[in-house]
Amino acid sequence: AQSVAQPEDQVNVAEGNPLTVKCTYSVSGNPYLFWYVQYPNRGLQFLLKYITGDNLVKGSYGFEAEFNKSQTSFHLKKPSALVSDSALYFCAVRDFKAAGNKLTFGGGTRVLVKP
Amino acid sequence: NAGVTQTPKFRVLKTGQSMTLLCAQDMNHEYMYWYRQDPGMGLRLIHYSVGEGTTAKGEVPDGYNVSRLKKQNFLLGLESAAPSQTSVYFCASSFEGRAGRAYEQYFGPGTRLTVT
Repeated sequence: AQSVAQPEDQVNVAEGNPLTVKCTYSVSGNPYLFWYVQYPNRGLQFLLKYITGDNLVKGSYGFEAEFNKSQTSFHLKKPSALVSDSALYFCAVRDFKAAGNKLTFGGGTRVLVKP
Repeated sequence: NAGVTQTPKFRVLKTGQSMTLLCAQDMNHEYMYWYRQDPGMGLRLIHYSVGEGTTAKGEVPDGYNVSRLKKQNFLLGLESAAPSQTSVYFCASSFEGRAGRAYEQYFGPGTRLTVT
């Protein structure tokens, strides 16, 4: 079975400060990891993914994520947060053996960037 | 490209009524999915399809049925709606996942369903 945990329901950060959203995962084999963002009353938008290779993955809107196999983590980061980054963020995992390209999502972390 | 579209955007049902949610994608994706989103629970997979004419159960399939008669469409049906099915429903699609490749899923805008 595959699972994802996002330990923080909400993260508050001041505009211009670094932003980190935490994610840990559990899979039986090699993980494929994803981050999505959801703005109010919208569907989820893909930010970035890790499949293999470089542990630091760069994605859309200046976001990046670091894969750490020993800590089974895939934290999302942005060096300088913007007010427009305020949204709901989801981490998702897929076991490379899982049929149907099925993803398991974490519960989400709400990010609030204050001016 | 419209991407993934869903109809309707909003719906209110009374307990016991039935309805069908329509999802359409124009990206020629093989795989399609239906999720429900509830506060604090993230997205949970209801049913999915790996190709035209095939469907499979996800994490929370009870009370729902699906059909995929055409590659571009994926229908979600509620035969007898219950208040516990009040939720936001999202459809998604992706290319086929192969060993060594993981394709992201593309999501529709969602349908907000209230069952009274």
